Amino acid sequence: EAQVTQNPRYLITVTGKKLTVTCSQNMNHEYMSWYRQDPGLGLRQIYYSMNVEVTDKGDVPEGYKVSRKEKRNFPLILESPSPNQTSLYFCASSPTYQETQYFGPGTRLLVL
Amino acid sequence: TQLLEQSPQFLSIQEGENLTVYCNSSSVFSSLQWYRQEPGEGPVLLVTVVTGGEVKKLKRLTFQFGDARKDSSLHITAAQPGDTGLYLCAGGGGATNKLIFGTGTLLAVQP
Repeated sequence: EAQVTQNPRYLITVTGKKLTVTCSQNMNHEYMSWYRQDPGLGLRQIYYSMNVEVTDKGDVPEGYKVSRKEKRNFPLILESPSPNQTSLYFCASSPTYQETQYFGPGTRLLVL
Repeated sequence: TQLLEQSPQFLSIQEGENLTVYCNSSSVFSSLQWYRQEPGEGPVLLVTVVTGGEVKKLKRLTFQFGDARKDSSLHITAAQPGDTGLYLCAGGGGATNKLIFGTGTLLAVQP
């Protein structure tokens, strides 16, 4: 089954404790991206990757890192999480940025 | 900065009513996508429109892309409780190589 998987689905952590949210897709898509979704603000792009080893900042990259060492994986790293990073996070993949985005199930993060 | 404004932000209607959701921008997009997101899940694509003035129908849903490719609308006829969800528009091919998402319209259809 074609899908985007994210782990974990739910995470509660404390300020400053490094964490990684994994994202994997099995559709051989070139383009992958991370979004955060907050009430009233819609989906905002954090980082995106056009291909392996090619990543670029989205609209809200501060406090986040990503890597794209393999085509299928695109982890999101929070080196020192802060409470303002409490949010619902989605990973998405697509053949190109203009084509259908396939979203993962989301990761709900709470930073205390 | 490219922005996509959706209106209304919230909409609560009774089953059987019609409704229209709007997606507006000052920027031109080469394509416009509409997604629906249900609670606890990621957004799922409903339709993509690519030609100015294009109209696409998906059962009771009608999507239109503005002539100038700056705006779009989603019309639902005889809404049903299963239509409840967050509707998001997303524009591609503008000034950046990113897909820009709208602010969303949360629709609740009461039985």
